[in-house]
Amino acid sequence: DVKVTQSSRYLVKRTGEKVFLECVQDMDHENMFWYRQDPGLGLRLIYFSYDVKMKEKGDIPEGYSVSREKKERFSLILESASTNQTSMYLCASSSLETEAFFGQGTRLTVV
Amino acid sequence: QKEVEQNSGPLSVPEGAIASLNCTYSDRVSQSFFWYRQYSGKSPELIMSIYSNGDKEDGRFTAQLNKASQYVSLLIRDSQPSDSATYLCAVNVGTGFQKLVFGTGTRLLVSP
Repeated sequence: DVKVTQSSRYLVKRTGEKVFLECVQDMDHENMFWYRQDPGLGLRLIYFSYDVKMKEKGDIPEGYSVSREKKERFSLILESASTNQTSMYLCASSSLETEAFFGQGTRLTVV
Repeated sequence: QKEVEQNSGPLSVPEGAIASLNCTYSDRVSQSFFWYRQYSGKSPELIMSIYSNGDKEDGRFTAQLNKASQYVSLLIRDSQPSDSATYLCAVNVGTGFQKLVFGTGTRLLVSP
């Protein structure tokens, strides 16, 4: 079974903190994605990566950065957390153009 | 115009009926399409993928794709209360690599 694991299920951070969300997949997938999900707005793509050290901006990259130093790991970084980044964050991975598999999600609250 | 559009619902159907969920997309070159189901508080899980025009059936689920009309749908036959969830349409809008974009989802309610 494909497994996508996110480092935290729930996270509470203070405004201005630097926040790291980690995602690891165990199926040697080329593609990895970070989304945030908010009520009424659906899943919005923040960043994605199709290879090690490669990254592409999604639809809402402002305030975020990513790192993919190893194929299995894709990190989302909030450089200076703000309250409007309170959300559910979902990581996913896929092979070439096949379906994406999701992690369990990280509910981040910025206070 | 959003890249992937869905009616947010809720779509209410009685148990045993057919539920029809629709999705339109804007990128004409998209080649791969996916339907996910998401229960409240859970992550999305794949139901169907479809890559060519026509119908694809898997159990009670049928995905339909019409690339000329830029339209993809999901039919759920013999709907069950356990099918009550949000259904997300996803489209690969990348060229040469995968960029998966999701619609906002349609909430389906199946009443006993």
